[in-house]
Amino acid sequence: QVQLVESGGGVVQPGRSLRLSCAASGFTFSSYAIHWVRQAPGKGLEWVAVISYDGINKYYADSVKGRFTISRDNSKNRLSLQMNSLRGDDTAVYYCARDRQLYDFWSGLPGFWGQGTMVTVSS
Amino acid sequence: DIQMTQSPSTLSASVGDRVTITCRASQSISSWVAWYQQKPGKAPKLLIYKASILESGVPSRFSGSGSGTEYTLSISSLQPDDFATYYCQLYNSYPCTFGQGTELEIK
Repeated sequence: QVQLVESGGGVVQPGRSLRLSCAASGFTFSSYAIHWVRQAPGKGLEWVAVISYDGINKYYADSVKGRFTISRDNSKNRLSLQMNSLRGDDTAVYYCARDRQLYDFWSGLPGFWGQGTMVTVSS
Repeated sequence: DIQMTQSPSTLSASVGDRVTITCRASQSISSWVAWYQQKPGKAPKLLIYKASILESGVPSRFSGSGSGTEYTLSISSLQPDDFATYYCQLYNSYPCTFGQGTELEIK
């Protein structure tokens, strides 16, 4: 079955970096765009970034643009999120989510979600 | 960017009730609306997309409607498993935006 497993979360000081990973299985990873969506404690959902099925196209929320970088390795069925210059308001559960549509970068529809990994930015 | 305003933020209801949640967009979005259900400590689950298309496996008591700037999620007869938080989402463009969420609680 479709499975997305996030890892790499933890406690990090403001200004430092952290790299999240998402391991995918149960589907053809190279056929789908993948999103990162986050949720601050007790708050709603915030879309963060997306990468196209082939890794060529990327889009970021203004709140993370220039600080976060999304990438993928289709040979390893793995997605990454490099987070630099972390701030307190980056504290959240980070979910990776597979788009619902095949080969459609502009779909923007996270159809299947992992269970998330918690990132806490604190001194 | 297009804003999505969801209401109410909290809704109290009983098992068997019919409930409706509304999402208003700051401009017309041509039915590019999805609805998600999230339970505490769990990932969101896609319920409906393109305003009214039920995702596979979602019970038929869930329905979506709307056009232009106003969209609704309805649950026809609440079941105990339905008490959760619901989010609307604008998609088919970036940044894709979520509504603030509606917590559906037991009266």
